[in-house]
Amino acid sequence: QQQVKQSPQSLIVQKGGISIINCAYENTAFDYFPWYQQFPGKGPALLIAIRPDVSEKKEGRFTISFNKSAKQFSLHIMDSQPGDSATYFCAASYNNNDMRFGAGTRLTVKP
Amino acid sequence: NAGVMQNPRHLVRRRGQEARLRCSPMKGHSHVYWYRQLPEEGLKFMVYLQKENIIDESGMPKERFSAEFPKEGPSILRIQQVVRGDSAAYFCASSPSGKSEAFFGQGTRLTVV
Repeated sequence: QQQVKQSPQSLIVQKGGISIINCAYENTAFDYFPWYQQFPGKGPALLIAIRPDVSEKKEGRFTISFNKSAKQFSLHIMDSQPGDSATYFCAASYNNNDMRFGAGTRLTVKP
Repeated sequence: NAGVMQNPRHLVRRRGQEARLRCSPMKGHSHVYWYRQLPEEGLKFMVYLQKENIIDESGMPKERFSAEFPKEGPSILRIQQVVRGDSAAYFCASSPSGKSEAFFGQGTRLTVV
């Protein structure tokens, strides 16, 4: 069964706009929620991660918002740039074991 | 400190042959995870190993697939008697412990013809 649901499947944003990707999880035991960025032909690279003891984490233009009661978390990319065009995966794990990934969101930032 | 190294990067096998995918984790990392990615799809967990032990293989098909992470040498994902449906990108990730971020390799793209 899919333990992490991600939406939208694809997203087109104008340069300078805000990209928002959402994820929902089912297992309340999950305690680690990373986001990965993947460019074509490359492996996923860790972008930013959050644990459930905080509701928001910001690193540069990237922010994770976390809603524990709703079992949802989202990635916000501020001032989106064409170089941000990639596939983004949310994930969730318990104790960093066997991380479960969302299906991915293909982001295109138009110049 | 080199990243996670996977080889080969590309592998072509005929139906019925065996495929061996290798993953050398980052130095100091004793935890290895294997994932499969089909075109235009997300990453599907297959197996989680620590040195010489399989911790969780719940995502790995019961038949034809096996994985190992010996005391010395790389982790190996083996697929016996490959079929066309095995064609995918296989990614390996490693971490120094079960409570740390996992770093991914570049993947092995398996094509079964």
